[in-house]
Amino acid sequence: DGGITQSPKYLFRKEGQNVTLSCEQNLNHDAMYWYRQDPGQGLRLIYYSQIVNDFQKGDIAEGYSVSREKKESFPLTVTSAQKNPTAFYLCASSDREIHEQYFGPGTRLTVT
Amino acid sequence: AQSVAQPEDQVNVAEGNPLTVKCTYSVSGNPYLFWYVQYPNRGLQFLLKYITGDNLVKGSYGFEAEFNKSQTSFHLKKPSALVSDSALYFCAVRDMRTGGNNRLAFGKGNQVVVIP
Repeated sequence: DGGITQSPKYLFRKEGQNVTLSCEQNLNHDAMYWYRQDPGQGLRLIYYSQIVNDFQKGDIAEGYSVSREKKESFPLTVTSAQKNPTAFYLCASSDREIHEQYFGPGTRLTVT
Repeated sequence: AQSVAQPEDQVNVAEGNPLTVKCTYSVSGNPYLFWYVQYPNRGLQFLLKYITGDNLVKGSYGFEAEFNKSQTSFHLKKPSALVSDSALYFCAVRDMRTGGNNRLAFGKGNQVVVIP
């Protein structure tokens, strides 16, 4: 899981509440990513950021928001507008020189 | 759009036998290809990548992958499987839709079960 931390590991929320997932990296990587993983569907990109104060929507951005105020941090907010928020969320980072992405340990969010 | 396909949902192999996990890709231009492994309730771990050069790429934990341009494949292999290799394996390709970044497109994953 390298130098990327995600907290908490498990998160429980009631429907209608916003929740923020933390992602921090100490790899000095410029780019950071958020993915959602559901059984049998692989990884789907929610948002990504190539540089501080800039981010782009991925394939399934609706109902999510992000910020990138510091190079080390890329928090993801799951809003009440997300229809099916229960999933495993993975954060990753990369550097343009190394191509591959390095992943955090993930946060399992359960909304009831 | 760039994409990868992992045609098998699950691969069962006896311990000690060769392990192969299949991946085919579809890209415009030269592919950047990756393999990752995921253990239950954990993040993905990088195994290996093909960017350019030798078609046989060696990676972590004794895994290797062969890039085949004519068949657009990048199959993951291990000569002798261990029970501890039981995990979910993902193939990925660099998504060049917005060139200059390292956005990846992932396959749906293959569950590997190594039988003792």
